[in-house]
Amino acid sequence: GAVVSQHPSRVICKSGTSVKIECRSLDFQATTMFWYRQFPKQSLMLMATSNEGSKATYEQGVEKDKFLINHASLTLSTLTVTSAHPEDSSFYICSAGTSPLTDTQYFGPGTRLTVL
Amino acid sequence: QQQVKQSPQSLIVQKGGISIINCAYENTAFDYFPWYQQFPGKGPALLIAIRPDVSEKKEGRFTISFNKSAKQFSLHIMDSQPGDSATYFCAASLPLGTINTGTASKLTFGTGTRLQVTL
Repeated sequence: GAVVSQHPSRVICKSGTSVKIECRSLDFQATTMFWYRQFPKQSLMLMATSNEGSKATYEQGVEKDKFLINHASLTLSTLTVTSAHPEDSSFYICSAGTSPLTDTQYFGPGTRLTVL
Repeated sequence: QQQVKQSPQSLIVQKGGISIINCAYENTAFDYFPWYQQFPGKGPALLIAIRPDVSEKKEGRFTISFNKSAKQFSLHIMDSQPGDSATYFCAASLPLGTINTGTASKLTFGTGTRLQVTL
């Protein structure tokens, strides 16, 4: 199957700092990528849909200015958590759909963010 | 209407037994139903998927049964092994281009089932 990578796998930061998480499709082009957040023992919560070359579409309740998404190329999307606070600590996961049009999504390994 | 209900929340099965996880949906416009397996600290991995025009799909020890009229689908894991111990999520998505802005459909996930296979 297609491979999606995320970097870093774990990050610890101080409250008030910004953290950038990268999501890469390694062996395919991904016009659309998705960002999820997952709390312990809970399901995945979709945060936003990222489309290459255009603005991301955020789900209701997700702060656009807090979670900045950039999808500058067909293989890279980034999520920046700005002015992070302890409540932003979570497991962030990206997924990508292979091109051309397809239902199948492949997920990255996730990034564990801990804000002190 | 966008919800996907999943049960049970947790499941304990003996090695060699059959694990069954059920999901139900409301939105009849959903046309793609994947199952994902997730190990602790890892991202979900696609296990198997089905479309409404098929009532059953089998891949190795994993089978999806789909009941369109009941709006239900289930995952069966035959000959369950300790290595199958993980959290399983069902999901559903609308047809491409329905309400999406890109070339992939948003997935609506179930709440997850924690499966433990004992020796």
